[in-house]
Amino acid sequence: AQKVTQAQTEISVVEKEDVTLDCVYETRDTTYYLFWYKQPPSGELVFLIRRNSFDEQNEISGRYSWNFQKSTSSFNFTITASQVVDSAVYFCALSEAGGAAGNKLTFGGGTRVLVKP
Amino acid sequence: EPEVTQTPSHQVTQMGQEVILRCVPISNHLYFYWYRQILGQKVEFLVSFYNNEISEKSEIFDDQFSVERPDGSNFTLKIRSTKLEDSAMYFCASSDVAGGGYQETQYFGPGTRLLVL
Repeated sequence: AQKVTQAQTEISVVEKEDVTLDCVYETRDTTYYLFWYKQPPSGELVFLIRRNSFDEQNEISGRYSWNFQKSTSSFNFTITASQVVDSAVYFCALSEAGGAAGNKLTFGGGTRVLVKP
Repeated sequence: EPEVTQTPSHQVTQMGQEVILRCVPISNHLYFYWYRQILGQKVEFLVSFYNNEISEKSEIFDDQFSVERPDGSNFTLKIRSTKLEDSAMYFCASSDVAGGGYQETQYFGPGTRLLVL
């Protein structure tokens, strides 16, 4: 069965510090997808990134970067030079079953990031 | 940019009452989902829907729950007889199909916060 673990429940940083969120997943499938979503205080879930299991290339998008390591089943997320607007709960999620369309997402427990001015 | 919409944003109901939560998925998407998030907890999968039938459902999605696509645009979740423990944020999501039939990103609506008294 698929499982996602986000061991850090809450991280507090001062603005401009970097913050890395850990995500470890378990799956028996060889083809799967990993996602990160942001949940700001307003409550909606905002898509950040989708990565398939065959693409281990790290990705950078502005101040966000992701490090996917299949060998350790991890998909970590780093916010560089954090800002107050980054304060939110961040969820890592996994979709397996061969990566086929329509499969459910299994979410981790989330990491609350608090960025203080 | 197309987005998933949900109504109402908040609903308060008495235990035992029926509620219907409404969603308008992104128009060209083929897969629809309901998830829920009890306050402060992780996001949990309830049900997925494709081609006018349920594709997969979780243990949470018991006989009290049902889904329907009554027309070409709406997707609804009905709870027949609400319980206190049904109080949660309910998210609708939709997704398309990526090339090769693979999982595409699930985009979430803003959620309906349900409070059962």
